[in-house]
Amino acid sequence: EVQLLESGGGLVQPGGSLRLSCAASGFTFSSYAMTWVRQAPGKGLEWVSTIISGGSTYYADSVKGRFIISRDNSKNTLYLQMNSLRAEDTAVYYCAKSALVPAGTGPFDIWGQGTMVAVSS
Amino acid sequence: EIVLTQSPATLSLSPGERATLSCRASQSVSSYLAWYQQKPGQAPRLLIYDASNRATGIPARFSGSGSGTDFTLTISSLEPEDFAVYYCQQRINWPITFGQGTRLEIK
Repeated sequence: EVQLLESGGGLVQPGGSLRLSCAASGFTFSSYAMTWVRQAPGKGLEWVSTIISGGSTYYADSVKGRFIISRDNSKNTLYLQMNSLRAEDTAVYYCAKSALVPAGTGPFDIWGQGTMVAVSS
Repeated sequence: EIVLTQSPATLSLSPGERATLSCRASQSVSSYLAWYQQKPGQAPRLLIYDASNRATGIPARFSGSGSGTDFTLTISSLEPEDFAVYYCQQRINWPITFGQGTRLEIK
């Protein structure tokens, strides 16, 4: 079964850091671009960052310079290092798999269940 | 950045009725548009990609059309499980953008 499982969310103070992980199974992880999408409480979907199979990375302007996306193909795991967190980063963070190879921009056919990040003092 | 505008914001219909949801792009996205369904407490689910291709396992009552800047998601006959929020997403260039969503509610 194709599956994504996020972990690492929690409550953090403004200015703090957090590292999210997304464990993949059931497909050839190294072949696909992987993406983080977030959803603030009661709001819509917002693209955060993508890493394509070759390692190139892309970021939304709202997180550029603060967040770092990476992947470990030997562990079938995607990461999101989040630094200098702000209240507006509070959201459920989903990892998602691109449906098409080598497309990095989606569409996204497999999503994790999400992990909640709350930034508050 | 390509802005996607979905209309209406909320659509109230009854089971068995036909639903028509719209997504308009601020510039051409060719056919590189996808539709997702999201139910409360769940992750989004891919319905349609590249404007008109149904994703694996998606029922035939869901169809997509359009190209350029104007797109439509049609649900031919609403089932109780179809009441949810629907998002469009463009993949022609960075940054990836989503529409603000259309809430499909039971009348």
